[in-house]
Amino acid sequence: IAGITQAPTSQILAAGRRMTLRCTQDMRHNAMYWYRQDLGLGLRLIHYSNTAGTTGKGEVPDGYSVSRANTDDFPLTLASAVPSQTSVYFCASSDSWTANQPQHFGDGTRLSIL
Amino acid sequence: RKEVEQDPGPFNVPEGATVAFNCTYSNSASQSFFWYRQDCRKEPKLLMSVYSSGNEDGRFTAQLNRASQYISLLIRDSKLSDSATYLCVVNILVTGANNLFFGTGTRLTVIP
Repeated sequence: IAGITQAPTSQILAAGRRMTLRCTQDMRHNAMYWYRQDLGLGLRLIHYSNTAGTTGKGEVPDGYSVSRANTDDFPLTLASAVPSQTSVYFCASSDSWTANQPQHFGDGTRLSIL
Repeated sequence: RKEVEQDPGPFNVPEGATVAFNCTYSNSASQSFFWYRQDCRKEPKLLMSVYSSGNEDGRFTAQLNRASQYISLLIRDSKLSDSATYLCVVNILVTGANNLFFGTGTRLTVIP
């Protein structure tokens, strides 16, 4: 079934550790996104990529980095995890970055930083 | 000020009821509008786009009022399976990015 795959599904991580959340899509979508969802705050954009080879900062980029080496993969890295990064992380994609394009989401990664 | 404001609810309605959710957005440059549905501990899923003329998809009707910066979702003949959180989403095209701004969601529970 076509879609977006995120890994891991959940993770408990010690503060200070490095962690990479994986995201792969097989829909050949050009644009990809990473969000975090926190209670009372809704989903907030961390980073995005309009097309392979390009990335941009969203609303809450600090402490996170991304890369987009190819169309399918968009990993999110926490270089040195902190407890405030405990959240549910969703990867999404859309056919293009232009307006009117809805985004399709992966199942999410639940991350707890202790 | 948040880009998108929603009444968090919860809305508890009996099966067969009609329920309406409202949402306001702050940026007049907003270009596209959507309603997403999110089930507990699941990913958001697109319910419907919202067009300027209003649009309907079965039991669901979405309306947009650009002058008042207001979006609504009407659900008729509520089903148990409609129980979920409904997210109002606004697209603001900022420096070449498809930035979606999400409301915090309105929780609906349909009661038998």
